[in-house]
Amino acid sequence: QKEVEQNSGPLSVPEGAIASLNCTYSDRGSQSFFWYRQYSGKSPELIMSIYSNGDKEDGRFTAQLNKASQYVSLLIRDSQPSDSATYLCAVKSSYKLIFGSGTRLLVRP
Amino acid sequence: SQTIHQWPATLVQPVGSPLSLECTVEGTSNPNLYWYRQAAGRGLQLLFYSVGIGQISSEVPQNLSASRPQDRQFILSSKKLLLSDSGFYLCAWSPPWGTNEKLFFGSGTQLSVL
Repeated sequence: QKEVEQNSGPLSVPEGAIASLNCTYSDRGSQSFFWYRQYSGKSPELIMSIYSNGDKEDGRFTAQLNKASQYVSLLIRDSQPSDSATYLCAVKSSYKLIFGSGTRLLVRP
Repeated sequence: SQTIHQWPATLVQPVGSPLSLECTVEGTSNPNLYWYRQAAGRGLQLLFYSVGIGQISSEVPQNLSASRPQDRQFILSSKKLLLSDSGFYLCAWSPPWGTNEKLFFGSGTQLSVL
């Protein structure tokens, strides 16, 4: 049974649009949530962390957390072709991070 | 600032050969250390994690092993590689849980077992 679920995509959006990436998790006790960006052949790069219900904004990125629904999302405003990558959702469970399989995002020029 | 070094970047090994991947962290003490594997087009699978010298937890039964001989050094090994060991191996570190909980990755090793 998967503990962190993401739609594999690809999610295709035009340049300048808002990209919405979603993630659900199974561990109700989780308190820490992260979004990583991974370009092909590269290692994941941390872009957002969120610990409380609600929204957290950082530049063009907004992370949203709803612990009651066990749901995390990432919004990317004014999407750019350079945002094209795989986005990994990660949830802290005990002493480790559990990763989803990632959503591939394609931003069309 | 903290940095993590992982090598080699790419490795091609025959089936049945041994493996040793090394990872070191600079600029921090007593980090949590992790080895993940990512198969082509798949998510990250946690293989091992360590919260201190000599303390290794294994997540997946396999022919791989890990060791932490020094505080900031983490080694992934195998005595005999299998075809299924091919993948992208990532070392990662985090501060001790309860402080800053973010996980940071090394640049990865692309292992091809032929």
